[in-house]
Amino acid sequence: QVHLQQWGAGQLKPSETLSLTCGVSGGSLSVYFWSWIRQPPGKGLEWIGQINHDGSTNYKSSLQSRVRISVDTPNNQFSLKLTSVTAADTAIYYCARGLVANELDHWGQGTLVTVSS
Amino acid sequence: SSELTQDPAVSVALGQTVRITCQGDTLRAYFASWYQQKPRQAPVLVIFGKNNRPSGIPDRFSGSSSGNTASLTITGAQAEDEADYYCNSRDTTNNHVIFGGGTKLTVL
Repeated sequence: QVHLQQWGAGQLKPSETLSLTCGVSGGSLSVYFWSWIRQPPGKGLEWIGQINHDGSTNYKSSLQSRVRISVDTPNNQFSLKLTSVTAADTAIYYCARGLVANELDHWGQGTLVTVSS
Repeated sequence: SSELTQDPAVSVALGQTVRITCQGDTLRAYFASWYQQKPRQAPVLVIFGKNNRPSGIPDRFSGSSSGNTASLTITGAQAEDEADYYCNSRDTTNNHVIFGGGTKLTVL
């Protein structure tokens, strides 16, 4: 059974870098698609980007200059970095596995990241 | 870029059938996937592809598509189906994933 467990800092100051990691058990990162999605408090889901089984990445256009998704195959985990955060980046961040890009069949538990001075 | 439009809120009487829709030009090229999200929980995939349910999803959930509109139908809605429902798909121009704004389903 595939399980995604995520971790990372939940409190950041403006201009700092958000860093989250998602560990995958019960499945290999060398297949499927691996995404990050966020949800501001009380709002809808927003796709941030994904890394594909071939290592290629795809990022939301409005975040592309600040975001990087990478994979650590030996440790079966993938990571999100978002630089220069502001209060607008405050959200619950989820990692997820995609059967194809938009079929997200397994999700992490979510991490609330709050950006505040 | 493409957009997906959902009604903000829909209600259904217990045991009745409800259809939640998602509109967008990209749906002419790609199927939508549907997610159920209950308060303080991660989303759960309920429908993907033409009309596929992941293991554990009740068969009262079904999906369909026509033109630029995808639909999620719940036949015989239960109290536990009260949740937010999101559709998603892919942007035809850049293969980015896009989400609809979500529909809050109330079971009366």
